[in-house]
Amino acid sequence: EAGVAQSPRYKIIEKRQSVAFWCNPISGHATLYWYQQILGQGPKLLIQFQNNGVVDDSQLPKDRFSAERLKGVDSTLKIQPAKLEDSAVYLCASSSGQGVYEQYFGPGTRLTVT
Amino acid sequence: AQSVTQPDIHITVSEGASLELRCNYSYGATPYLFWYVQSPGQGLQLLLKYFSGDTLVQGIKGFEAEFKRSQSSFNLRKPSVHWSDAAEYFCAVMRGGSNYKLTFGKGTLLTVNP
Repeated sequence: EAGVAQSPRYKIIEKRQSVAFWCNPISGHATLYWYQQILGQGPKLLIQFQNNGVVDDSQLPKDRFSAERLKGVDSTLKIQPAKLEDSAVYLCASSSGQGVYEQYFGPGTRLTVT
Repeated sequence: AQSVTQPDIHITVSEGASLELRCNYSYGATPYLFWYVQSPGQGLQLLLKYFSGDTLVQGIKGFEAEFKRSQSSFNLRKPSVHWSDAAEYFCAVMRGGSNYKLTFGKGTLLTVNP
């Protein structure tokens, strides 16, 4: 079974530029999560989708971050414009349902904003 | 709101020695508890989880954890550490309800000396 795929793995941009990350969850997984992991901290949930609907985006900085999951499969997270403090690893995870289900994580995208 | 505290930022053990990583949580009801491991450049992998029942849970790679309600703790243990166990370990708590959100601790970095 293929795992959660993410691309790119690494990205370096200058502040005020825009960037997009892509995630393809495990086939059949209805729930998809985006986490931000700043160096030295644990992952923090940014947004959770159930199929193509948003369940929780309370910690998403909506003035600069956006995410979509069209057709309820893969997802894109965008930052525009980027700030220095956005430097982090962005992790995508998926689970088979909404509830107490195991979340499977992708390898992450390491973003450096200079 | 729930929170997770991992008091040890960095632990160093010798190969073959026993290991205990501490985790304390703050949550009003019985939580769902998890331990994840993250190797460099990798996503998070679930080691074990506690939902209910037997308070001593067994996980993958020879790890176990014990839920102690009176101490609000969920410590991770391994009787004999291998060099390949060097990684960062995250404790997480999930709140039931509308979105089953995972909240992570800041992690404990494990170094294994030969």
